[in-house]
Amino acid sequence: AQKVTQAQTEISVVEKEDVTLDCVYETRDTTYYLFWYKQPPSGELVFLIRRNSFDEQNEISGRYSWNFQKSTSSFNFTITASQVVDSAVYFCALSGGYQKVTFGTGTKLQVIP
Amino acid sequence: EAGVAQSPRYKIIEKRQSVAFWCNPISGHATLYWYQQILGQGPKLLIQFQNNGVVDDSQLPKDRFSAERLKGVDSTLKIQPAKLEDSAVYLCASSQDQSGGPDTQYFGPGTRLTVL
Repeated sequence: AQKVTQAQTEISVVEKEDVTLDCVYETRDTTYYLFWYKQPPSGELVFLIRRNSFDEQNEISGRYSWNFQKSTSSFNFTITASQVVDSAVYFCALSGGYQKVTFGTGTKLQVIP
Repeated sequence: EAGVAQSPRYKIIEKRQSVAFWCNPISGHATLYWYQQILGQGPKLLIQFQNNGVVDDSQLPKDRFSAERLKGVDSTLKIQPAKLEDSAVYLCASSQDQSGGPDTQYFGPGTRLTVL
């Protein structure tokens, strides 16, 4: 069975602060994919990143960066110099065999101006 | 490229009534998913289609929920009869699936269902 844990339910930061969203996963599959999605107040889930289990390189995209560590089964997401537009619910998701995706419960990020 | 389309965006019904949601995936995407997202929770997969065949419906409450994907394109999700606990946002997503591995899913705006 797959499981994704996002222990942080809600986080509040002041604009321009850095913030890290944690994601811990469990799977028996040797090949799997991890995702992060953003869900702004409008409700539509927006794809941010996809990472396969064989690629442990960290990735940076603008103010966003991701740290994948298989040894600790974690795939954490950092926003540098946060902005009000980053306020949203962020979901970590895991997909193993047959593409079934399991989502975490989400972390609500509030960036205060 | 047009995104995933869903309708209606909002629906309010009384319990025991029926309701249907429609989804049109991104053109060329073979796989279509229906998710249920209850307020404050992550999306839960209800059913997954590959073209017009069902890949996974293990979490679909089959006594009241049904879904079909005719001709491998559009899909309809139906609830009959609805219960109070069905109040949620119903999300449709699609993916291309040409690589053979789990592919990125693209989501529609969702249908917010309120059952009174």
